[in-house]
Amino acid sequence: GAGVSQSPRYKVAKRGQDVALRCDPISGHVSLFWYQQALGQGPEFLTYFQNEAQLDKSGLPSDRFFAERPEGSVSTLKIQRTQQEDSAVYLCASSPRGGNQPQHFGDGTRLSIL
Amino acid sequence: EDQVTQSPEALRLQEGESSSLNCSYTVSGLRGLFWYRQDPGKGPEFLFTLYSAGEEKEKERLKATLTKKESFLHITAPKPEDSATYLCAVQARGTDKLIFGTGTRLQVFP
Repeated sequence: GAGVSQSPRYKVAKRGQDVALRCDPISGHVSLFWYQQALGQGPEFLTYFQNEAQLDKSGLPSDRFFAERPEGSVSTLKIQRTQQEDSAVYLCASSPRGGNQPQHFGDGTRLSIL
Repeated sequence: EDQVTQSPEALRLQEGESSSLNCSYTVSGLRGLFWYRQDPGKGPEFLFTLYSAGEEKEKERLKATLTKKESFLHITAPKPEDSATYLCAVQARGTDKLIFGTGTRLQVFP
């Protein structure tokens, strides 16, 4: 079956531009997570949805970062007025019901800010 | 503060040379400990979940164990295709997010 799908795979933007990253979770998965992974580091939590409800956004680094999942399926992570330190791989994961069930990851979007 | 430390940072093994990767953690009540494998340019691939001290899980050449303070990923007779970064993550009680270590980069040479 299809796994978590993320698009685009690569995104290059100039400093100050807005970007939008998309995540299609595994069909039927209730929980969706966004993580940020810097080069040589482990993923760091950004935010978490259960269906359309954003239950935890404690990891979002600033108010320039915004995530939504309006119909409880596809999610978009938006970064406004991008800065060089936003350059990273953005990973999306989903799990059937959350809790301590395994999270299954997509291959990420590599964002480069020039 | 919940925290995960993995060692070594990098490990080079000859094919067939068994070894262990360490994951030390501090967490305010463990809900689960997860091992993932990550290949270059790919997302983490789920391997195991461990829930309580004393638990062990196996898959092919990999075996994961858990104590109250650390987890080990034992690799028996590794092959070059086992080369990857292995990530450990913990989940604290009352939360769904994962806290990852920085990983161990494993290279297995023929």
